Amino acid sequence: AQTVTQSQPEMSVQEAETVTLSCTYDTSENNYYLFWYKQPPSRQMILVIRQEAYKQQNATENRFSVNFQKAAKSFSLKISDSQLGDTAMYFCAFMKEGGSEKLVFGKGTKLTVNP
Amino acid sequence: SAVISQKPSRDICQRGTSLTIQCQVDSQVTMMFWYRQQPGQSLTLIATANQGSEATYESGFVIDKFPISRPNLTFSTLTVSNMSPEDSSIYLCSVSKREGLEQYFGPGTRLTVT
Repeated sequence: AQTVTQSQPEMSVQEAETVTLSCTYDTSENNYYLFWYKQPPSRQMILVIRQEAYKQQNATENRFSVNFQKAAKSFSLKISDSQLGDTAMYFCAFMKEGGSEKLVFGKGTKLTVNP
Repeated sequence: SAVISQKPSRDICQRGTSLTIQCQVDSQVTMMFWYRQQPGQSLTLIATANQGSEATYESGFVIDKFPISRPNLTFSTLTVSNMSPEDSSIYLCSVSKREGLEQYFGPGTRLTVT
């Protein structure tokens, strides 16, 4: 079974600064996908970024980028130029390729962006 | 993309009663999922609901407690039966597109059992 670990229950950052959220996972699969989801106080889960395990290049979406280290089973999220609207719970998630399309979530990191 | 609505958005229920949560999607999807998010916790998958077949339940969740219907490709319901205060949670439905590469979530139903 796959497990996802987020070791930082809470983090805070000043507006306009950069913050990195950590995620590690455990799997015996070779082909899989990793995701970061954001859940603001409104509760709406929003996909932030996705990484395919077969791709060596780290995914980037505007201010959001990942550092994917397959051998270390590490998948951190970097948020640059943090904005107040980035305040949310961030969940790291794993999905096995070619399977049931089920997501396995970590426990989440609560990020607060301070003005 | 997909737009998902859930009804009700919140409810307060008495112990021993049942509540049915509805999930409506604006496009046809094959796979729908129901998650539970207990206060301050992560999301735990309850079951996968495929149209035309029985739902597939995860370990620790049973059909008698969480019966699911999936009558068509845009709609599903989750019933929380014989509720106890431990069932107080947010219940979210989600849908999968592009073989799971895109998953969209509903706004959730906040259930409080007294």
